[in-house]
Amino acid sequence: QSVLTQPPSASGTPGQRVTISCSGSSSNIGSNYVYWYQQLPGTAPKLLIYRNNQRPSGVPDRFSGSKSGTSASLAISGLRSEDEADYYCAAWDDSLSGLYVFGTGTKVTVL
Amino acid sequence: QVQLQESGPGLVKPSQTLSLTCTVSGGSISSGGYYWSWIRQHPGKGLEWIGYIYYSGSTYYNPSLKSRVTISVDTSKNQFSLKLSSVTAADTAVYYCARDDHYDSSGYVYWGQGTLVTVSS
Repeated sequence: QSVLTQPPSASGTPGQRVTISCSGSSSNIGSNYVYWYQQLPGTAPKLLIYRNNQRPSGVPDRFSGSKSGTSASLAISGLRSEDEADYYCAAWDDSLSGLYVFGTGTKVTVL
Repeated sequence: QVQLQESGPGLVKPSQTLSLTCTVSGGSISSGGYYWSWIRQHPGKGLEWIGYIYYSGSTYYNPSLKSRVTISVDTSKNQFSLKLSSVTAADTAVYYCARDDHYDSSGYVYWGQGTLVTVSS
């Protein structure tokens, strides 16, 4: 049902930079903010990025978000072992007057 | 610090109604600007947004679940609840309650720990 498309997996070695893409449409990413959530195994998702590129307090500046048109991306620089998790993009969708949609999710593996 | 905690049966029989409650502490559910929401995650799968309720009682549901979902709020108990009717095995999932800081577009900052609900006879 996800209308936001992410690659199923991404990987990197410690210290590397990893980028995750999120593709949507004019009714969601194209006209609303993008959010990113990190989900460690067995835990609830954690807000990582809000309003396209803002970090909540406590989130390291190694995490950065960007948006262009109907796509968005999350970059993790200086990859660390504790970054191994599932990452989801999300946005409100105007096509159904208030539906919140999540991306398909990307599993990041630290090699 | 706002905290949310889900509670309810972990096992529900097919065709019955799934009922969960989310208790909010550290903040009032009557405060405006927040969407009190339910989100679920099927085993090994991604996140699915179910819907939200505003403190005033206005609601919005995912169209894919709308015919079976009811979200209600009890401001006196600082709780909001989810009812999902006519459940099947496909409704087996971890159910999360969460707060969307909608007034400033800050996203789902606060989440419950999640509760696994299994639909089985």
